Amino acid sequence: TQLLEQSPQFLSIQEGENLTVYCNSSSVFSSLQWYRQEPGEGPVLLVTVVTGGEVKKLKRLTFQFGDARKDSSLHITAAQPGDTGLYLCAGPRTPLAGQNFVFGPGTRLSVLP
Amino acid sequence: GAGVSQSPRYKVAKRGQDVALRCDPISGHVSLFWYQQALGQGPEFLTYFQNEAQLDKSGLPSDRFFAERPEGSVSTLKIQRTQQEDSAVYLCASSLGGLAGAEQYFGPGTRLTVT
Repeated sequence: TQLLEQSPQFLSIQEGENLTVYCNSSSVFSSLQWYRQEPGEGPVLLVTVVTGGEVKKLKRLTFQFGDARKDSSLHITAAQPGDTGLYLCAGPRTPLAGQNFVFGPGTRLSVLP
Repeated sequence: GAGVSQSPRYKVAKRGQDVALRCDPISGHVSLFWYQQALGQGPEFLTYFQNEAQLDKSGLPSDRFFAERPEGSVSTLKIQRTQQEDSAVYLCASSLGGLAGAEQYFGPGTRLTVT
């Protein structure tokens, strides 16, 4: 099973600040997904990146997949309290696993008003 | 309902009791997944069904854990002789299946506390 690491583990910032969280592995992934999970709920998919070097934007969120497909980042511009949550990255558990995913431990983001 | 539902939402069991957790996937979704999420951690894969067939159960931590999906729709995760280390949130997800990386839709989870 391929493993994913995420950093930082915790992040507390003021509303309006920018931030970047990271997802890293020693393995190559065919794709990576980013989820946000709020307390008492299941994770919700934000984006899937599949091509090395790919950049995807979702409003104030920018996702990048590393050229070597071993890492990814999530950048949030002008964070808002509604961005608070656990941010998880996930990828196929093995190179041939289409739908079975391994999750990173997550970055817990708190945006203070 | 439009989403994945799970019941009960909360379960308290005494050590040694058996528990059964239910998942109702989105109608028409072929694939169904169970995950275990410990406090402060990401979800850990337990098992995967495609229709009624359990294709991967490599993540089940012991033979006390058993999952079934007899008619290819509702699934039940059963834990026998619960232990304190079983305390976690158990998440169910479903997807249309058939495509690599198909989006998984998660339910709200069942929080199991073993005392």
